[in-house]
Amino acid sequence: DTGVSQDPRHKITKRGQNVTFRCDPISEHNRLYWYRQTLGQGPEFLTYFQNEAQLEKSRLLSDRFSAERPKGSFSTLEIQRTEQGDSAMYLCASSFLTGDSYNEQFFGPGTRLTVL
Amino acid sequence: GEDVEQSLFLSVREGDSSVINCTYTDSSSTYLYWYKQEPGAGLQLLTYIFSNMDMKQDQRLTVLLNKKDKHLSLRIADTQTGDSAIYFCAESGSNTGKLIFGQGTTLQVKP
Repeated sequence: DTGVSQDPRHKITKRGQNVTFRCDPISEHNRLYWYRQTLGQGPEFLTYFQNEAQLEKSRLLSDRFSAERPKGSFSTLEIQRTEQGDSAMYLCASSFLTGDSYNEQFFGPGTRLTVL
Repeated sequence: GEDVEQSLFLSVREGDSSVINCTYTDSSSTYLYWYKQEPGAGLQLLTYIFSNMDMKQDQRLTVLLNKKDKHLSLRIADTQTGDSAIYFCAESGSNTGKLIFGQGTTLQVKP
């Protein structure tokens, strides 16, 4: 297994366009997380899935954002009608939930979005 | 609400020890983590500590936790130029496992 992968690595789009990012987690990881990181800040939690169920969404996730994990494997994050404020690095992480609350998350390299 | 704060910048000379500090607010945090981020690379977990521990040592890394003051520190012994990166502390207390990150400390190691 090569770890968490994300595609594309970079995306430049014009304001108002829709974009979709993909995350492939480590196989057999049952949890998948999306975070957003802006310059000079730490990652901020957006949403997470346990298997195919989306269990929590941050208030940061406006109704222009939607995420899916249809078969409990890869996930997509779509942003509709992008705004310049959406420019950020979008990070995906996966983990395997055990009985303990220890939850080591493995991060992908991120998708850098630039909205012009 | 949940909040994690770190100092923004630390500069040390190669061979010295580095100490990166972090404070957090969520007293229910069960695990606290230190992540490293290098340019162009993903976040890498360096170490973690369970909330009922005071200290954890892992090779050149020492984590100290003062739960009463909600203060966490990461000490890197014999700091090398390859340790130059941004270091994030993060807490996780809820069943969701979501991580709450600080804003990161940029460590600059001068030869």
